Amino acid sequence: GNSVTQMEGPVTLSEEAFLTINCTYTATGYPSLFWYVQYPGEGLQLLLKATKADDKGSNKGFEATYRKETTSFHLEKGSVQVSDSAVYFCALSVRGSNYKLTFGKGTLLTVNP
Amino acid sequence: AAGVIQSPRHLIKEKRETATLKCYPIPRHDTVYWYQQGPGQDPQFLISFYEKMQSDKGSIPDRFSAQQFSDYHSELNMSSLELGDSALYFCASSSKKQGVVQETQYFGPGTRLLVL
Repeated sequence: GNSVTQMEGPVTLSEEAFLTINCTYTATGYPSLFWYVQYPGEGLQLLLKATKADDKGSNKGFEATYRKETTSFHLEKGSVQVSDSAVYFCALSVRGSNYKLTFGKGTLLTVNP
Repeated sequence: AAGVIQSPRHLIKEKRETATLKCYPIPRHDTVYWYQQGPGQDPQFLISFYEKMQSDKGSIPDRFSAQQFSDYHSELNMSSLELGDSALYFCASSSKKQGVVQETQYFGPGTRLLVL
């Protein structure tokens, strides 16, 4: 089956620190990979995605590269801000599974000023 | 840009009652997904619809049913509610491009259901 394993945290950083949240996956077929962000009390927002090996998704200073050889899609940001405090979910979907999303457990990020 | 609309945003019910959650996808999106997110948990897939037909089913209890209507909006009906049904229920929609279902799902703000 399909599964996503991500660093559960919580992760606490100071403003302008470097962020890495690890995500690895197992999938039957060829998955598309996603990072979603959930701010307190809000819904899920798509942060970035990659649909094939070696693709790099990027948005708002966040980046993640689809690594087929290590089945990973780690999220990185060079300099976090207080406003980045949220829960981050790594997720995958596979065409053969009607594209339903399988999520990791989520990582709570808190950025202190 | 128009987003996915869910109603109601908050719902409080008693045990054994019935609840109906509604989802209005982004215009011209014909695929709808429902997810359940328990407190502190990751979202779990419940059910999906494509062109008004059920396309996939996940860990959805038999007490729950759903459908997609001719205008592509969807409703999730939940009967005999239990305390454990308290959760955030998300709807997401996606579209087709050149006849191919797109993998990117856009989420609504969710309906927070509390069962007392």
